[in-house]
Amino acid sequence: DIVMTQSPDSLAVSLGERATINCRSSQSVFFSSNNKDYLAWYQQKPGQAPKLLIYWASTRESGVPDRFSGSGSGTDFALTISSLQAEDVAVYYCQQYYNVPVTFGGGTKVAIK
Amino acid sequence: QVLLVQSGAEVRKPGSSVKVSCRVSGGPFSNIAINWVRQAPGQGLEWMGGIIPMTGTTSYGQRFQGRVTIIADESTRTAYVEVNSLTSEDTAVYYCARGSREEPRISQNWFDPWGLGTLVTVS
Repeated sequence: DIVMTQSPDSLAVSLGERATINCRSSQSVFFSSNNKDYLAWYQQKPGQAPKLLIYWASTRESGVPDRFSGSGSGTDFALTISSLQAEDVAVYYCQQYYNVPVTFGGGTKVAIK
Repeated sequence: QVLLVQSGAEVRKPGSSVKVSCRVSGGPFSNIAINWVRQAPGQGLEWMGGIIPMTGTTSYGQRFQGRVTIIADESTRTAYVEVNSLTSEDTAVYYCARGSREEPRISQNWFDPWGLGTLVTVS
């Protein structure tokens, strides 16, 4: 199984400041035949289901604010919130969908400082 | 708009079974993977398995193999997950989530949308 490791476990950022979450996979999730990384990011607010933010490591889902961006390739990835808003308080998960079993990172809790 | 509507909360005794449903409204159903993901209280997300309704092809996470069954009914556009031999460690919110690709494969899909979740309490 591909193990997904997120860091940090939690972070507190001031409103309007940048938040960066890291995700590392135990093996590459890059598929050379189509030049894509099989990595997604989800946001989960308290009491809610996860919501897709990013797929193909850096493609923003329709309707997701452009302050959210994904980067990285191979085994190292990041989700950046360029200017944290109050509504961004949530737990964020990375997910590899390169193969089954699909696996998720342990989650990163983002709070307001 | 695709919506995944899940059945209501359940309470079960240890050793019993539970079956949770997920009805898909809108969009195609038969050739798109439906996945089940669970989340124990205060914990992260864990993929249990998935199914292609058209073929009945399933794939399970190793720790769920043999104790979990996923099925789908094309006539009602509903997928189900059944968990047997319940223990307190099965207490969790169970989510269904649709795969991203409009082709009959379980692998290589991100998940969107998700159902609201079904709380299963084993006590």
